[in-house]
Amino acid sequence: QVQLQQSGPGLVKPSQTLSLTCAISGDSVSSNSAAWHWIRQSPSRGLEWLGRTYYRSKWYNDYAVSMKSRITINPDTSKNQFSLQLNSVTPEDTAVYFCARDLTGGYLFDYWGQGTLVTVSS
Amino acid sequence: QSVLTQPPSASGTPGQRVTISCSGSSSYSRSDYVYWYQQLPGTAPKLLIYRNNQRPSGVPDRFSGSKSGTSASLAISGLRSEDEADYYCAAWDDSLSGAWVFGGGTKLTVL
Repeated sequence: QVQLQQSGPGLVKPSQTLSLTCAISGDSVSSNSAAWHWIRQSPSRGLEWLGRTYYRSKWYNDYAVSMKSRITINPDTSKNQFSLQLNSVTPEDTAVYFCARDLTGGYLFDYWGQGTLVTVSS
Repeated sequence: QSVLTQPPSASGTPGQRVTISCSGSSSYSRSDYVYWYQQLPGTAPKLLIYRNNQRPSGVPDRFSGSKSGTSASLAISGLRSEDEADYYCAAWDDSLSGAWVFGGGTKLTVL
């Protein structure tokens, strides 16, 4: 059974960096048949895909164009987890952030983390 | 503005069949698959339908999906009170270097 456990602060000041981690159990961040995503949800923007990291003989990252200048998603193979960093946050980045898995064969976002409410406020 | 358009609300009585539509814009590839998610309050979305009409293990066969051109539908038959939730469609958007996009969601009320 795959489980994704998120951790990270729930409050970030404007202009600072939002950092979240998603720890994986029951699968491997280095799996050749999975991809690992970050998605956020807010009342104003709905569900919004942020980006993904995945391993296919080497590491790849894809990011939403709207995030590309501010986002980094990194795998950590030693801890079997992956992280999200979003720089220069504003109150518009206030949202519930989710990590999720995508498995080859069409199982898009078949497992999700529990969600982390991140509020951007001074 | 989402490239996938859903009605904001839908409703039905127990036992009824309801359908929720998901209409794609021109940047959404008609050849791509559509996925459906159910989200109960305070929880993460749950995969209901993948690749237009496939159900993951454990999803009741009361839930079914279909797709024609750039429009897709989720049907729920034998409606139950526990089906009251938000439902989202998702697909790959070919524009802007590509991204996974979601519809705005449909709030289903079981009357």
